[in-house]
Amino acid sequence: GENVEQHPSTLSVQEGDSAVIKCTYSDSASNYFPWYKQELGKGPQLIIDIRSNVGEKKDQRIAVTLNKTAKHFSLHITETQPEDSAVYFCAASSLDGSARQLTFGSGTQLTVLP
Amino acid sequence: DVKVTQSSRYLVKRTGEKVFLECVQDMDHENMFWYRQDPGLGLRLIYFSYDVKMKEKGDIPEGYSVSREKKERFSLILESASTNQTSMYLCASSFGPRGYEQYFGPGTRLTVT
Repeated sequence: GENVEQHPSTLSVQEGDSAVIKCTYSDSASNYFPWYKQELGKGPQLIIDIRSNVGEKKDQRIAVTLNKTAKHFSLHITETQPEDSAVYFCAASSLDGSARQLTFGSGTQLTVLP
Repeated sequence: DVKVTQSSRYLVKRTGEKVFLECVQDMDHENMFWYRQDPGLGLRLIYFSYDVKMKEKGDIPEGYSVSREKKERFSLILESASTNQTSMYLCASSFGPRGYEQYFGPGTRLTVT
């Protein structure tokens, strides 16, 4: 089955700096890569996703890049703000066939220091 | 807005008890999922369901069972709770045959003593 590794497990940045979280996956059949943000006391919420036919996707201060050859994808947050502090999870899945499962990484606790 | 609710935010049970965790979604989603979340391990899939009365094992189904009698409700059952099942349990739902975006409930923190 799929295995997703996520680094780092904790990340502290100064407000206004950029943050980068990296994930690798094992199954070459995976073609859908979402990122979820979990704030304290809440369930995870999708913030951005990318499919394998796209190398990069951007949404305001958040961007995701995908390198299918190397089987890794990354989340980039620019101009970080205190409200970006949360746990971030990457995930991988195949959209083909009947597969509906997401395999999640272990999570990154991001702290934005004021 | 999609809403996924879970019956309890906090639950304390004794070893050997039968435990029911309930999840309800209000958006007519076909797919529903149960995960457990542990520090350093991320979210691990226990069971999922893509239709009423249908269920499939996830990555860690041992010690758990599920029930989906109605489309909006998905229950996780711990037949005989053990201390190693102390965890945060998250329910999620998604729309469509391949379940793109998953919407999560707030979680149930279960402690088994």
